[in-house]
Amino acid sequence: GAVVSQHPSRVICKSGTSVKIECRSLDFQATTMFWYRQFPKKSLMLMATSNEGSKATYEQGVEKDKFLINHASLTLSTLTVTSAHPEDSSFYICSATPVQGSDTQYFGPGTRLTVL
Amino acid sequence: AQSVSQHNHHVILSEAASLELGCNYSYGGTVNLFWYVQYPGQHLQLLLKYFSGDPLVKGIKGFEAEFIKSKFSFNLRKPSVQWSDTAEYFCAVKMGGSGNTGKLIFGQGTTLQVKP
Repeated sequence: GAVVSQHPSRVICKSGTSVKIECRSLDFQATTMFWYRQFPKKSLMLMATSNEGSKATYEQGVEKDKFLINHASLTLSTLTVTSAHPEDSSFYICSATPVQGSDTQYFGPGTRLTVL
Repeated sequence: AQSVSQHNHHVILSEAASLELGCNYSYGGTVNLFWYVQYPGQHLQLLLKYFSGDPLVKGIKGFEAEFIKSKFSFNLRKPSVQWSDTAEYFCAVKMGGSGNTGKLIFGQGTTLQVKP
């Protein structure tokens, strides 16, 4: 149980275009989903916390207009990287908590974004 | 600032050797503690967690961790490692205890390489 999927697993796009990444909780409802960015040989950096039906909470230094997050249902959150640039190339990982008050996050497999 | 430190960045062991990975955090209040593992090419998986109670917690695959409050530590241990334990290990701390309002702060990760 507690499976989280991400789509696509990898994407290559041209500079200036927008890319949407989906995060789905497959066998549970997720009140809260989290978006992370992982740099090579580095830890996970939390970008934003997404709650269903409300605006996402962004971490300091993360541009909310560049990284648009939508959590429209209890099983789906999307991250859209707008006007992507090569420096946005990274590994993006989402996670979800199964129930209200749960402190265990279950992680998706990640999406490798390469911006040319 | 709140932070999580993993002191061992890269550990190389032979099979059957014992393992201990250090994790320290800087926060004086209640914490929830986690160890996650990321096998090559796979997503993060929960190894074990501590919320309260017995400070010695047992996880999957023979791993255990001990919470020492006075030392702000949550070290991961395994008596006898296997080649299949080769992976990246992340310590994560939720500062402020239970409830899904707090974020996870990750350590830098430790790469464990087990030689057959």
